[in-house]
Amino acid sequence: DAGVTQSPTHLIKTRGQHVTLRCSPISGHKSVSWYQQVLGQGPQFIFQYYEKEERGRGNFPDRFSARQFPNYSSELNVNALLLGDSALYLCASSGTGLAGPPYNEQFFGPGTRLTVL
Amino acid sequence: AQSVAQPEDQVNVAEGNPLTVKCTYSVSGNPYLFWYVQYPNRGLQFLLKYITGDNLVKGSYGFEAEFNKSQTSFHLKKPSALVSDSALYFCAVRDLMFSGGYNKLIFGAGTRLAVHP
Repeated sequence: DAGVTQSPTHLIKTRGQHVTLRCSPISGHKSVSWYQQVLGQGPQFIFQYYEKEERGRGNFPDRFSARQFPNYSSELNVNALLLGDSALYLCASSGTGLAGPPYNEQFFGPGTRLTVL
Repeated sequence: AQSVAQPEDQVNVAEGNPLTVKCTYSVSGNPYLFWYVQYPNRGLQFLLKYITGDNLVKGSYGFEAEFNKSQTSFHLKKPSALVSDSALYFCAVRDLMFSGGYNKLIFGAGTRLAVHP
């Protein structure tokens, strides 16, 4: 089975532009989460989507938005890009529903490296 | 607030020697702890997890982790290091206070492991 896939692999944008990142979860997984990993730091939680609805949001501004499609794939959108948005954006999928179990691991994709100039 | 700390930015070890990567945590309630590894330009790969029960958890690639409740630690260990183990290692804890469900992980800042021949 294919793991979590993300596209594109790399992306270069300029300040003020917007970007769309894509993620396909492992087949059968209905939960998708997005994380931002700035160089030298651990991943930071941005969003969780489950059954096509936003279920949780981390401490990120409204410039960040996402959605999940009927096939459970997901898009992360970032508007009005800032230099500080440069990071590796990771998508993770899980077979865990909202109610648990809380110990199921998440499976991460290879990430999209976004560079904002 | 729930958190994870990795006190060492980098760990250096000679090939064949045992290795330890340290992690301490602070959570309310039962901790669900995870270790992930990240190779250059790659996403995160799951190594192992602690749920409950045995304090010594065995994972992938010969890694194991020791859970210590009194010291609130979850150190990653391997009896004999390989050069190919050189990578970035992240400790994470499930955020059980997150109202959006069980799929939010809180990561440490990461520890770079360098295994020298």
